[in-house]
Amino acid sequence: DARVTQTPRDKVTEMGQEVTMRCQPILGHNTVFWYRQTMMQGLELLAYFRNRAPLDDSGMPKDRFSAEMPDATLATLKIQPSEPRDSAVYFCASGRGQGVNNEQFFGPGTRLTVL
Amino acid sequence: KDQVFQPSTVASSEGAVVEIFCNHSVSNAYNFFWYLHFPGCAPRLLVKGSKPSQQGRYNMTYERFSSSLLILQVREADAAVYYCACEVDRGSTLGRLYFGRGTQLTVWP
Repeated sequence: DARVTQTPRDKVTEMGQEVTMRCQPILGHNTVFWYRQTMMQGLELLAYFRNRAPLDDSGMPKDRFSAEMPDATLATLKIQPSEPRDSAVYFCASGRGQGVNNEQFFGPGTRLTVL
Repeated sequence: KDQVFQPSTVASSEGAVVEIFCNHSVSNAYNFFWYLHFPGCAPRLLVKGSKPSQQGRYNMTYERFSSSLLILQVREADAAVYYCACEVDRGSTLGRLYFGRGTQLTVWP
């Protein structure tokens, strides 16, 4: 049963520290998405990739967030420096593209707490 | 602005049919998706499509700018957050989903 995996599941850090979250998409999926879930905003899209190329990262605060796909099996989301307002659950999702076969499969999320 | 709207909370008694409504202002949207999310777990797809669909106890209605998720014979275990999303048919954003803020369903016995 193929699944999206995310590490770490939980991260507690202090303000100013660097945080790196990792995602392994489902093998064969060509789109990868990063979302942030908060009580106020629900699921916000931060960035997404197709065939490892970034398509849209307009949802990310550019000064501190960065997203990359070093290879087809790994996507990373980095926050440097982290701030308390970054505390949220971060989800990664992968999919095959668009149309009738489109479905985004989500990972279990990384719960980030910045003190 | 491309947005998806859904109520923040819905409450129901067990055994009833629950309807969660969703509408959007997303241009060129053509597919709706309904996801279920339990805290600590991965959100998972319940039903999707560009026409009315059914998967088990979950029915989805479809209009050009709105959709409803109907949960039949709702149970206490269905208490969770339900996300509505739509997909656009628009150039390079193909495959992107626009999500609502989620609806917290409460079910009382």
